[in-house]
Amino acid sequence: NAGVTQTPKFQVLKTGQSMTLQCAQDMNHNSMYWYRQDPGMGLRLIYYSASEGTTDKGEVPNGYNVSRLNKREFSLRLESAAPSQTSVYFCASSALSGNTIYFGEGSWLTVV
Amino acid sequence: QQQVKQSPQSLIVQKGGISIINCAYENTAFDYFPWYQQFPGKGPALLIAIRPDVSEKKEGRFTISFNKSAKQFSLHIMDSQPGDSATYFCAASMKGGGADGLTFGKGTHLIIQP
Repeated sequence: NAGVTQTPKFQVLKTGQSMTLQCAQDMNHNSMYWYRQDPGMGLRLIYYSASEGTTDKGEVPNGYNVSRLNKREFSLRLESAAPSQTSVYFCASSALSGNTIYFGEGSWLTVV
Repeated sequence: QQQVKQSPQSLIVQKGGISIINCAYENTAFDYFPWYQQFPGKGPALLIAIRPDVSEKKEGRFTISFNKSAKQFSLHIMDSQPGDSATYFCAASMKGGGADGLTFGKGTHLIIQP
């Protein structure tokens, strides 16, 4: 049972570099999400995709872009990384928006 | 605007005691209230959930109490064990599901002391 798989698990970037976090789910879910988790801030929604072919901004979208490549895959791109983007990133999916959300194991990103 | 307020931010409980975490919400359109448990280095995982047509739901040592009129819900962990040490998030979503999924509280870091 893979569930939600995200890569890489750890990454160190220099300020200004770009990178893409990959996410795939094997549960045939319609909705996918990217969250970031910071100490004392809880889980904040960056972008979401309610269904294949649609993406929308969440609470903290600035500095990020997403692509819903197909029903299984939802990637998060940092075009020009900043130290403020140092965080733990979680990809998640749900069968329908608002239903139980299933999370990946997280990607630890440090921007120096 | 924080739509789900969670307290306390951190909690220390002795083994065998009762852990209580509280959440309050503002949006009366919320229809689904799950709790998530997160261990260090892992993603959050669904622990237990409730809908507002019942006032309490129990699964093993974990109980959700729901007060619709007060717009509050809480998680009770009975006979708390060191293995329960984790971060707990309450959450809420609207009837029919808002497109942006769940609204999360900021989390409670729970430590169960042996």
